[in-house]
Amino acid sequence: QVQLQESGPGLVKPSETLSLTCTVSGGSISSYYWSWIRQPPGKGLEWIGYIYYSGSTNYNPSLKSRVTISVDTSKNQFSLKLSSVTAADTAVYYCARGPRLGYCSGGSCYSTPIPFDYWGQGTLVTVSS
Amino acid sequence: DIQMTQSPSTLSASVGDRVTITCRASQSISSWLAWYQQKPGKAPKLLIYKASSLESGVPSRFSGSGSGTEFTLTISSLQPDDFATYYCQQYNSYSHGTFGQGTKVEIK
Repeated sequence: QVQLQESGPGLVKPSETLSLTCTVSGGSISSYYWSWIRQPPGKGLEWIGYIYYSGSTNYNPSLKSRVTISVDTSKNQFSLKLSSVTAADTAVYYCARGPRLGYCSGGSCYSTPIPFDYWGQGTLVTVSS
Repeated sequence: DIQMTQSPSTLSASVGDRVTITCRASQSISSWLAWYQQKPGKAPKLLIYKASSLESGVPSRFSGSGSGTEFTLTISSLQPDDFATYYCQQYNSYSHGTFGQGTKVEIK
């Protein structure tokens, strides 16, 4: 059974950088795309970005200038950095598996859409001085 | 960007009721649509994927339908455990998967 666990500081000062790590257990980080998703208190879900185990990334255009997602396959982990945070970045941050699965066939490699089927429990990050 | 619009935002219902939630995409997403259930303080849980496929372990009272731009989630007989917020999500766009704004199912 795949499990995801977020870790990182729960309090970040305004203008600083939010850093979180997601550790994947019960399965390999390879072949899948992995996402960060956040939810401000009392509000809906916002996709932040994803990374493939190869290191390729894609970010929500609204956050692209401030977001960096990286992967460490040796530790089965991927990480989020969000710079220049403000109170509007206060949210529960989730890591999740998806939204694509990579595969290779006949010498070529492809990816297919998948839903977010496994999620971490979420971690609340508060931006406050 | 593909926009997802759910309706209603809030739904009041009783145990045993048949409940339907609608999700509309701003452009065709084929059947790349998922439904999630979220309870307070918990991560979203996948219920339905590819518009109508039931995730393993999810009760059969949940069903999904639709394709293109119009989708529905139906709970055939609402149970006490089903009072929660439900989100649709499209995962067709290679850019990113976007969520609807959510539908809160409340006790009437």
